[in-house]
Amino acid sequence: QVQLQESGPGLLKPSETLFLTCTVSGGSVFSNYWNWIRQSPGKGLEWIGYTHYSGNTHYNPSLNSRVTMSVDTSNNHFTLKVTSLTAADAAVYYCAGWNERNRAFDMWGQGTMVTVSS
Amino acid sequence: EIVLTQSPGTLSLSPGERATLSCWASQNVNSASLAWYQQKPGQAPRLLIYGASSRATGIPDRFSGSGSGTDFTLSISRLEPEDFALYYCQQYETSPLTFGGGTQVEIK
Repeated sequence: QVQLQESGPGLLKPSETLFLTCTVSGGSVFSNYWNWIRQSPGKGLEWIGYTHYSGNTHYNPSLNSRVTMSVDTSNNHFTLKVTSLTAADAAVYYCAGWNERNRAFDMWGQGTMVTVSS
Repeated sequence: EIVLTQSPGTLSLSPGERATLSCWASQNVNSASLAWYQQKPGQAPRLLIYGASSRATGIPDRFSGSGSGTDFTLSISRLEPEDFALYYCQQYETSPLTFGGGTQVEIK
């Protein structure tokens, strides 16, 4: 069974850059479109975007200019970078695998809390 | 952007009762692009229903989904203690992919 695990810093300052990694175990990064989703108390679940090993990426316009995602096939993980952080970026960040046939997220990481505070 | 509105915000029911959760879309959503998730405190969401009405692997048959166009429903026929949780609908008819605001099913 495929498992996803997020990792990265839990506390950042405003204007800093967030960098998260999602490690795929029990499966291959070649097999899915890989997504990042975040959840904050004020905004519920927000889709950030997806990446694919082919280099295909697509981001939510609400964060488009600040987000970069990529797949590292050598290490079987994928990454998220968000620049120019503000307090509004504080959330639990989830990585998730998209099932293209079912058009749904059928695998999720446990989530990692990110706090933005000076 | 397609906005999904879930109703009610909170549903207070007793174990054994039937739960009916609604999800309205601001534009037509192909049934193939509508999914439902369950989330418990401190956990990631779990896929329940995809394609508006197909149960995901391992999901009990007391969960069912229906609907089309702009009106979708998640039903739980007889609530078990483990079903008291937060439920979200999600669409990917068009980008950006969006989620509803959620319905909390709580014990009455």
